[in-house]
Amino acid sequence: TQLLEQSPQFLSIQEGENLTVYCNSSSVFSSLQWYRQEPGEGPVLLVTVVTGGEVKKLKRLTFQFGDARKDSSLHITAAQPGDTGLYLCAGHVGGTSYGKLTFGQGTILTVHP
Amino acid sequence: NAGVTQTPKFQVLKTGQSMTLQCAQDMNHEYMSWYRQDPGMGLRLIHYSVGAGITDQGEVPNGYNVSRSTTEDFPLRLLSAAPSQTSVYFCASSYQGSSYNEQFFGPGTRLTVL
Repeated sequence: TQLLEQSPQFLSIQEGENLTVYCNSSSVFSSLQWYRQEPGEGPVLLVTVVTGGEVKKLKRLTFQFGDARKDSSLHITAAQPGDTGLYLCAGHVGGTSYGKLTFGQGTILTVHP
Repeated sequence: NAGVTQTPKFQVLKTGQSMTLQCAQDMNHEYMSWYRQDPGMGLRLIHYSVGAGITDQGEVPNGYNVSRSTTEDFPLRLLSAAPSQTSVYFCASSYQGSSYNEQFFGPGTRLTVL
Protein backbone atom coordinates (compact mmCIF):
# COMPACT_ATOMS: atom_id res chain seq x y z
CA THR A 1 0.00 0.00 0.00
CA GLN A 2 1.38 3.38 -0.99
CA LEU A 3 1.07 6.21 1.49
CA LEU A 4 1.59 9.93 1.15
CA GLU A 5 2.21 11.90 4.30
CA GLN A 6 1.55 15.62 4.19
CA SER A 7 2.88 18.09 6.70
CA PRO A 8 1.88 20.19 8.37
CA GLN A 9 -1.80 19.28 8.69
CA PHE A 10 -2.73 22.83 9.69
CA LEU A 11 -1.04 26.12 8.92
CA SER A 12 -2.24 29.51 10.12
CA ILE A 13 -0.19 32.50 9.00
CA GLN A 14 -0.40 36.24 8.42
CA GLU A 15 -0.66 37.82 5.01
CA GLY A 16 2.77 38.34 3.46
CA GLU A 17 4.47 35.38 5.13
CA ASN A 18 6.09 32.51 3.25
CA LEU A 19 5.23 28.86 3.81
CA THR A 20 6.13 25.38 2.65
CA VAL A 21 3.97 22.26 2.58
CA TYR A 22 5.60 18.85 2.33
CA CYS A 23 4.40 15.60 0.79
CA ASN A 24 6.48 12.51 1.57
CA SER A 25 6.36 8.83 0.75
CA SER A 26 8.55 5.75 0.83
CA SER A 27 7.16 4.81 -2.60
CA VAL A 28 8.23 6.06 -6.01
CA PHE A 29 5.59 7.80 -8.12
CA SER A 30 5.61 8.46 -11.84
CA SER A 31 4.08 11.86 -11.20
CA LEU A 32 2.87 14.02 -8.34
CA GLN A 33 -0.15 16.29 -8.54
CA TRP A 34 -1.16 19.19 -6.30
CA TYR A 35 -4.78 20.23 -5.86
CA ARG A 36 -6.42 23.09 -4.00
CA GLN A 37 -9.87 22.78 -2.50
CA GLU A 38 -12.03 25.62 -1.23
CA PRO A 39 -14.86 25.08 1.26
CA GLY A 40 -17.94 23.50 -0.31
CA GLU A 41 -16.19 22.80 -3.60
CA GLY A 42 -14.26 20.00 -5.22
CA PRO A 43 -10.46 19.95 -5.54
CA VAL A 44 -8.96 21.77 -8.50
CA LEU A 45 -5.70 20.68 -10.09
CA LEU A 46 -2.87 23.21 -9.69
CA VAL A 47 0.08 21.40 -11.22
CA THR A 48 1.58 18.05 -12.17
CA VAL A 49 5.30 17.35 -11.73
CA VAL A 50 6.73 14.35 -13.52
CA THR A 51 10.55 14.47 -13.58
CA GLY A 52 12.79 13.96 -10.55
CA GLY A 53 14.11 17.35 -9.44
CA GLU A 54 11.54 19.23 -11.51
CA VAL A 55 10.52 22.70 -10.35
CA LYS A 56 7.35 24.39 -11.59
CA LYS A 57 6.15 27.89 -10.76
CA LEU A 58 2.60 29.16 -10.77
CA LYS A 59 2.73 32.87 -9.88
CA ARG A 60 3.69 32.89 -6.17
CA LEU A 61 3.51 29.08 -5.85
CA THR A 62 6.60 26.94 -6.45
CA PHE A 63 6.29 23.16 -6.73
CA GLN A 64 9.22 20.76 -6.57
CA PHE A 65 9.43 17.02 -7.19
CA GLY A 66 12.15 15.19 -5.27
CA ASP A 67 15.09 13.72 -7.15
CA ALA A 68 13.99 10.19 -6.25
CA ARG A 69 10.33 10.96 -7.08
CA LYS A 70 9.25 10.02 -3.55
CA ASP A 71 8.49 13.48 -2.22
CA SER A 72 7.31 16.92 -3.24
CA SER A 73 6.96 20.38 -1.77
CA LEU A 74 4.77 23.40 -2.33
CA HIS A 75 6.21 26.80 -1.40
CA ILE A 76 4.05 29.92 -1.32
CA THR A 77 5.73 33.31 -1.29
CA ALA A 78 4.00 36.31 0.28
CA ALA A 79 0.80 34.45 1.07
CA GLN A 80 -2.51 36.22 0.55
CA PRO A 81 -5.97 35.56 2.04
CA GLY A 82 -7.03 34.19 -1.34
CA ASP A 83 -4.54 31.34 -0.85
CA THR A 84 -6.66 30.01 2.02
CA GLY A 85 -7.86 26.47 1.40
CA LEU A 86 -7.06 22.78 1.62
CA TYR A 87 -4.00 21.69 -0.33
CA LEU A 88 -3.79 18.05 -1.40
CA CYS A 89 -0.96 16.15 -3.00
CA ALA A 90 -1.64 13.02 -5.03
CA GLY A 91 0.80 10.45 -6.32
CA HIS A 92 0.25 8.60 -9.56
CA VAL A 93 1.79 5.29 -10.54
CA GLY A 94 1.71 4.78 -14.27
CA GLY A 95 1.90 1.60 -16.27
CA THR A 96 -1.80 0.76 -16.38
CA SER A 97 -4.69 2.19 -18.36
CA TYR A 98 -6.22 3.71 -15.23
CA GLY A 99 -3.49 4.79 -12.83
CA LYS A 100 -4.98 5.11 -9.37
CA LEU A 101 -4.06 8.17 -7.37
CA THR A 102 -2.89 8.06 -3.75
CA PHE A 103 -3.88 11.23 -1.90
CA GLY A 104 -2.22 12.78 1.09
CA GLN A 105 -4.33 13.81 4.09
CA GLY A 106 -4.21 17.44 3.10
CA THR A 107 -2.92 20.70 4.60
CA ILE A 108 -5.45 23.29 5.72
CA LEU A 109 -3.98 26.73 5.12
CA THR A 110 -5.47 29.86 6.63
CA VAL A 111 -4.01 33.23 5.69
CA HIS A 112 -5.13 36.08 7.93
CA PRO A 113 -5.33 39.63 6.53
CA ASN B 1 -19.34 23.43 -20.46
CA ALA B 2 -20.70 22.55 -17.02
CA GLY B 3 -17.82 20.16 -16.33
CA VAL B 4 -18.69 17.57 -13.65
CA THR B 5 -22.04 18.00 -11.95
CA GLN B 6 -23.32 16.18 -8.87
CA THR B 7 -26.73 15.98 -7.24
CA PRO B 8 -27.86 16.35 -4.57
CA LYS B 9 -25.57 18.83 -2.78
CA PHE B 10 -26.71 17.67 0.67
CA GLN B 11 -28.53 14.54 1.84
CA VAL B 12 -29.59 13.12 5.19
CA LEU B 13 -30.48 9.44 5.41
CA LYS B 14 -31.54 7.09 8.14
CA THR B 15 -29.62 3.89 8.71
CA GLY B 16 -30.79 1.22 6.27
CA GLN B 17 -32.16 3.58 3.65
CA SER B 18 -30.90 3.45 0.08
CA MET B 19 -30.14 6.25 -2.32
CA THR B 20 -28.31 7.13 -5.51
CA LEU B 21 -25.81 9.94 -5.88
CA GLN B 22 -25.87 11.30 -9.40
CA CYS B 23 -22.83 12.36 -11.41
CA ALA B 24 -22.59 13.63 -14.95
CA GLN B 25 -19.82 15.11 -17.08
CA ASP B 26 -19.93 16.88 -20.42
CA MET B 27 -16.24 16.79 -21.29
CA ASN B 28 -16.42 13.42 -23.09
CA HIS B 29 -13.92 11.95 -20.64
CA GLU B 30 -13.53 8.20 -20.76
CA TYR B 31 -12.64 7.73 -17.10
CA MET B 32 -14.88 8.49 -14.15
CA SER B 33 -14.32 7.91 -10.44
CA TRP B 34 -16.00 8.19 -7.08
CA TYR B 35 -14.10 9.29 -3.97
CA ARG B 36 -15.05 9.87 -0.38
CA GLN B 37 -13.40 12.53 1.75
CA ASP B 38 -13.20 12.20 5.50
CA PRO B 39 -11.34 14.54 7.90
CA GLY B 40 -7.65 13.75 8.11
CA MET B 41 -7.86 10.95 5.53
CA GLY B 42 -7.59 12.71 2.20
CA LEU B 43 -9.57 11.30 -0.70
CA ARG B 44 -10.14 7.56 -0.99
CA LEU B 45 -11.21 5.87 -4.21
CA ILE B 46 -14.50 3.94 -4.00
CA HIS B 47 -15.12 2.77 -7.58
CA TYR B 48 -14.00 3.80 -11.00
CA SER B 49 -14.86 3.25 -14.64
CA VAL B 50 -12.66 3.30 -17.73
CA GLY B 51 -15.60 3.41 -20.12
CA ALA B 52 -19.27 2.62 -20.60
CA GLY B 53 -20.05 -0.85 -19.28
CA ILE B 54 -16.73 -1.19 -17.44
CA THR B 55 -16.35 -0.59 -13.71
CA ASP B 56 -13.88 -1.69 -11.06
CA GLN B 57 -13.35 -1.42 -7.33
CA GLY B 58 -11.17 1.10 -5.64
CA GLU B 59 -9.79 1.21 -2.12
CA VAL B 60 -13.09 1.32 -0.18
CA PRO B 61 -15.84 -0.30 -2.31
CA ASN B 62 -17.89 -2.08 0.37
CA GLY B 63 -21.47 -0.84 0.68
CA TYR B 64 -21.45 0.93 -2.69
CA ASN B 65 -22.48 -0.09 -6.20
CA VAL B 66 -21.86 1.64 -9.50
CA SER B 67 -22.81 1.22 -13.13
CA ARG B 68 -21.87 3.09 -16.28
CA SER B 69 -24.37 2.82 -19.09
CA THR B 70 -23.25 6.00 -20.89
CA THR B 71 -20.02 7.98 -21.17
CA GLU B 72 -21.65 10.94 -19.42
CA ASP B 73 -23.21 9.39 -16.31
CA PHE B 74 -21.75 7.47 -13.38
CA PRO B 75 -24.20 7.07 -10.47
CA LEU B 76 -23.17 5.77 -7.06
CA ARG B 77 -25.67 3.65 -5.14
CA LEU B 78 -25.79 3.11 -1.41
CA LEU B 79 -27.83 -0.04 -0.89
CA SER B 80 -28.29 0.14 2.90
CA ALA B 81 -26.81 3.27 4.40
CA ALA B 82 -24.71 3.04 7.56
CA PRO B 83 -23.40 5.83 9.83
CA SER B 84 -19.86 4.93 8.67
CA GLN B 85 -20.86 6.19 5.23
CA THR B 86 -21.31 9.73 6.52
CA SER B 87 -18.84 11.63 4.36
CA VAL B 88 -18.41 14.03 1.48
CA TYR B 89 -18.54 12.26 -1.87
CA PHE B 90 -16.78 13.54 -4.97
CA CYS B 91 -17.22 12.38 -8.50
CA ALA B 92 -14.36 13.02 -10.90
CA SER B 93 -13.62 12.50 -14.55
CA SER B 94 -10.34 12.26 -16.40
CA TYR B 95 -9.09 12.04 -19.94
CA GLN B 96 -7.84 8.64 -21.10
CA GLY B 97 -5.11 10.34 -23.13
CA SER B 98 -3.57 11.92 -20.04
CA SER B 99 -0.50 10.07 -18.85
CA TYR B 100 -1.14 11.11 -15.25
CA ASN B 101 -4.88 10.56 -14.74
CA GLU B 102 -5.40 14.18 -13.72
CA GLN B 103 -8.83 14.50 -12.11
CA PHE B 104 -11.61 17.00 -12.76
CA PHE B 105 -13.81 16.99 -9.67
CA GLY B 106 -17.45 17.82 -9.17
CA PRO B 107 -18.65 20.05 -6.31
CA GLY B 108 -19.42 17.13 -3.99
CA THR B 109 -22.36 15.67 -2.07
CA ARG B 110 -22.37 15.94 1.71
CA LEU B 111 -24.09 12.85 3.09
CA THR B 112 -25.13 12.33 6.70
CA VAL B 113 -26.41 8.94 7.85
CA LEU B 114 -28.24 8.97 11.17
